[in-house]
Amino acid sequence: QKEVEQDPGPLSVPEGAIVSLNCTYSNSAFQYFMWYRQYSRKGPELLMYTYSSGNKEDGRFTAQVDKSSKYISLFIRDSQPSDSATYLCAMSEITGNQFYFGTGTSLTVIP
Amino acid sequence: GAGVSQSPSNKVTEKGKDVELRCDPISGHTALYWYRQRLGQGLEFLIYFQGNSAPDKSGLPSDRFSAERTGESVSTLTIQRTQQEDSAVYLCASSFTGTTYNEQFFGPGTRLTVL
Repeated sequence: QKEVEQDPGPLSVPEGAIVSLNCTYSNSAFQYFMWYRQYSRKGPELLMYTYSSGNKEDGRFTAQVDKSSKYISLFIRDSQPSDSATYLCAMSEITGNQFYFGTGTSLTVIP
Repeated sequence: GAGVSQSPSNKVTEKGKDVELRCDPISGHTALYWYRQRLGQGLEFLIYFQGNSAPDKSGLPSDRFSAERTGESVSTLTIQRTQQEDSAVYLCASSFTGTTYNEQFFGPGTRLTVL
């Protein structure tokens, strides 16, 4: 079983839709949870990060962590064509230096 | 300021040849990571450098892979006797420190194709 599981998609939605992206994990020691956005032929860039459980909101983006279910989500409201990218979740323990990434979900927002 | 840079951006090589990939981290970042991203797969951790400490090489897939870093500057990832399964995008990232959470800043990657 992989440390982090993420549905690769692809996911295609109309402009303005609410998008839900999810990851599950198996390591209960994970405390930092991150979402990266990766445009084609570019390196990933950090979108949001959360420590432990709870919600975090930044503009149109909301990150949720449910540690009891080992499940994290990223919601994108009022999706825009510029949101079309691959979204990768990543996690790490509170100590240590390894980050564990999901496979990424490819998202296309259709104008 | 300048971000993480990597060179070359693309590399095509023949099976059995050696390749060297270069990463220039953000100035002042003590931690440096190498990842491999195969088509349709997530980032696979390869190696981690933190300051002058011994690197964490636990992710290197075979002894054909090695990496060096001079102080807190440039790093090179070397793949000897390349195989077709080595074809992937190799990403480098740097951060202020590798302990506790610090944002990793990624370079654009080197796309390696082994024929």
